[in-house]
Amino acid sequence: DGGITQSPKYLFRKEGQNVTLSCEQNLNHDAMYWYRQDPGQGLRLIYYSQIVNDFQKGDIAEGYSVSREKKESFPLTVTSAQKNPTAFYLCASSLFARSNQPQHFGDGTRLSIL
Amino acid sequence: GQQLNQSPQSMFIQEGEDVSMNCTSSSIFNTWLWYKQDPGEGPVLLIALYKAGELTSNGRLTAQFGITRKDSFLNISASIPSDVGIYFCAGHQLSSGSARQLTFGSGTQLTVLP
Repeated sequence: DGGITQSPKYLFRKEGQNVTLSCEQNLNHDAMYWYRQDPGQGLRLIYYSQIVNDFQKGDIAEGYSVSREKKESFPLTVTSAQKNPTAFYLCASSLFARSNQPQHFGDGTRLSIL
Repeated sequence: GQQLNQSPQSMFIQEGEDVSMNCTSSSIFNTWLWYKQDPGEGPVLLIALYKAGELTSNGRLTAQFGITRKDSFLNISASIPSDVGIYFCAGHQLSSGSARQLTFGSGTQLTVLP
């Protein structure tokens, strides 16, 4: 089945620790996105990537980093510089970035502080 | 990024009732999307709208792209318990940007009472 796979489902971070969230898609989509969702709020864009080896900051990129070495993979690292990392993180992809194609989402990773 | 104004924030309805929710903006959008999110999962695309005035159905769901291109509506007829969840509107703004970023509403939490 084609889709977007996020792992792990739950993740715990200690003080001063970097953690990496995985996102893999087999939809052959060019564009991939990372969002943060806090309770009672909409989705806020962290980073996005239009093609391999390219990525751009979204609205709340501080304290996060990404890479796009392969078309199907877009991992997100939550660094120790992100002081309030507890949230639900969603990865999405769309066929082309420069179009109105809808984004399709993975099932998310819930990150909590220990 | 700009948030869309989505209302109502929450709704409690009896099973079998019809539901209406909407999103408005001060800016023009050239795509409107409606998603549903179940607890602990990612949003799932329900309906995509691409033209002003467009009315599209998906089963008991009907959505419309407002004539002014600044709003959209989602109606659910004859609600059932599995309609429970958070409904998000999202849209692509009319812009010449290189990547078409989505703007999200803050969601409508729907509860269906038996």
